[in-house]
Amino acid sequence: NAGVTQTPKFQVLKTGQSMTLQCAQDMNHNSMYWYRQDPGMGLRLIYYSASEGTTDKGEVPNGYNVSRLNKREFSLRLESAAPSQTSVYFCASSAVDRDTQYFGPGTRLTVL
Amino acid sequence: GNSVTQMEGPVTLSEEAFLTINCTYTATGYPSLFWYVQYPGEGLQLLLKATKADDKGSNKGFEATYRKETTSFHLEKGSVQVSDSAVYFCALRSGGSYIPTFGRGTSLIVHP
Repeated sequence: NAGVTQTPKFQVLKTGQSMTLQCAQDMNHNSMYWYRQDPGMGLRLIYYSASEGTTDKGEVPNGYNVSRLNKREFSLRLESAAPSQTSVYFCASSAVDRDTQYFGPGTRLTVL
Repeated sequence: GNSVTQMEGPVTLSEEAFLTINCTYTATGYPSLFWYVQYPGEGLQLLLKATKADDKGSNKGFEATYRKETTSFHLEKGSVQVSDSAVYFCALRSGGSYIPTFGRGTSLIVHP
């Protein structure tokens, strides 16, 4: 099993450009998550999907949109990138509530 | 609401020293408790977990005991190695909630 995979691993954007971060899991998990990690801020939840067909806002959703394409895939879109969105983005999944989260390797995004 | 407080870092130790990273929590109900580890350039991965009071989680020489009376889940290791250098996150998940709560993370640096 590959676990949770993310693409791309690195990306540089100019202010105003758009892009989609891809995430897929092969563990048949119901729930999927997008986090950003910034120095001194820990992990902050952007959006999550409790199950296929549902999405909900987390702590810092502004400037982002998500799509739960199917049970395996959960994408994060930046419509108009801003320098404040420079961060490391992690996707995660879990089977049920109270259960372990499994994280992808991250996407390192720089917005100039 | 739920919250997790862990000691600020960095924690700097010499190889073979004893490690304690404190973690206390506030939660409704009976949460599951986790320690995750993040090695440089990687995503978080589960280190150990405990699902009920007085449970002890252990892995790779690390251990932590779920103490409901003190609402704590301190991470310990008897003899650290250089390869243990990483950032450690304490986290909890309450039953019925899809959103986990993470601490800010504690950086551990182990010198030879």
